[in-house]
Amino acid sequence: EAQVTQNPRYLITVTGKKLTVTCSQNMNHEYMSWYRQDPGLGLRQIYYSMNVEVTDKGDVPEGYKVSRKEKRNFPLILESPSPNQTSLYFCASSTYRGGNQPQHFGDGTRLSIL
Amino acid sequence: DQQVKQNSPSLSVQEGRISILNCDYTNSMFDYFLWYKKYPAEGPTFLISISSIKDKNEDGRFTVFLNKSAKHLSLHIVPSQPGDSAVYFCAASAGANSKLTFGKGITLSVRP
Repeated sequence: EAQVTQNPRYLITVTGKKLTVTCSQNMNHEYMSWYRQDPGLGLRQIYYSMNVEVTDKGDVPEGYKVSRKEKRNFPLILESPSPNQTSLYFCASSTYRGGNQPQHFGDGTRLSIL
Repeated sequence: DQQVKQNSPSLSVQEGRISILNCDYTNSMFDYFLWYKKYPAEGPTFLISISSIKDKNEDGRFTVFLNKSAKHLSLHIVPSQPGDSAVYFCAASAGANSKLTFGKGITLSVRP
């Protein structure tokens, strides 16, 4: 089954404690990205990757890091989480960055930073 | 600057009636438009798309209309069903190598 898998689904942690949200896709997609969804703000892109070892900032990259060492994996790293990073996070993958290629989303990770 | 706008945060319709979800955009370079549906505790899923060379695309109960001169698109769901109750995101891009820009979403409630 074609899917994007995120882990963990839920996490409550404290300010400053480094955390990583993993993302894996099994569709051999070149393009992967991370979004955050906040009330009244919709989906905003954090980082994206056009291919292995190629990553770039999205609209709201501050406080986040990513890596793309393998095609299937695209982890999101919060080195020093802060309460304003409390949000619902989605990983997505697709063949291309834009156009009419639908992006496939994971089921989301709800992070609470206390 | 919000380039994709979904100005109505919510819509409630009766089962069997038509649902019309609206979306406006400001960037004239956008040439692909997509609609995603999102249920609680799930990620968004692709619903239907349209390119700027068309003004209508239909898939079963779902039809998207594009009015380029007005920079407006709409998603019609006919007939609406309770299972259509979800958040709907409008998204747009300006070509295959351009990022996807999302609207804020609209919550559709279909009453039985």
